[in-house]
Amino acid sequence: GENVEQHPSTLSVQEGDSAVIKCTYSDSASNYFPWYKQELGKGPQLIIDIRSNVGEKKDQRIAVTLNKTAKHFSLHITETQPEDSAVYFCAARGPGGSYIPTFGRGTSLIVHP
Amino acid sequence: DAGITQSPRHKVTETGTPVTLRCHQTENHRYMYWYRQDPGHGLRLIHYSYGVKDTDKGEVSDGYSVSRSKTEDFLLTLESATSSQTSVYFCAISESGDTQYFGPGTRLTVL
Repeated sequence: GENVEQHPSTLSVQEGDSAVIKCTYSDSASNYFPWYKQELGKGPQLIIDIRSNVGEKKDQRIAVTLNKTAKHFSLHITETQPEDSAVYFCAARGPGGSYIPTFGRGTSLIVHP
Repeated sequence: DAGITQSPRHKVTETGTPVTLRCHQTENHRYMYWYRQDPGHGLRLIHYSYGVKDTDKGEVSDGYSVSRSKTEDFLLTLESATSSQTSVYFCAISESGDTQYFGPGTRLTVL
């Protein structure tokens, strides 16, 4: 089955800096890669996703890049703000009729004012 | 926000007692999932459903059972709760199996 590794487990940055979280996956057939943000005491919420036919996707300060050859995808947050502090999860989902994503273990992002 | 609720939001129970958690959706999404979240383990899939009365096991299904008698409700039952089942439980729904929408979670403590 699919295996997703996420790094780092904790990331501490100063407000205004950029943050990058990287995930690697094992199944080359995976074709859908979402990123979720989980604030304290809440459920995860989708912030951005990318499909295997796209190399990069951007939404304001957030971007995701996908390298299918190396089987890794990354979340980039620019101009970080204190409200970006949260736990971020990546996931990978297989092709065809698969509807079970595999999640990374999460990255705790701390943005210091 | 997707219309998904979980009840109860908090529960404290004793070892050996049965516990049922409820997930309710108003989105008419086909797929429903139960996860548990523990420090250092991220989100682990317990059971999932791909339609009414269609369910299957996830990676950590031992000690748990589920039922889905109608589209909007997905129940998770701990037949005899153990301390190792103390966790935060999240329900999620998905229309196509891609994006998942998570509920607010249920914090369960088994003493």
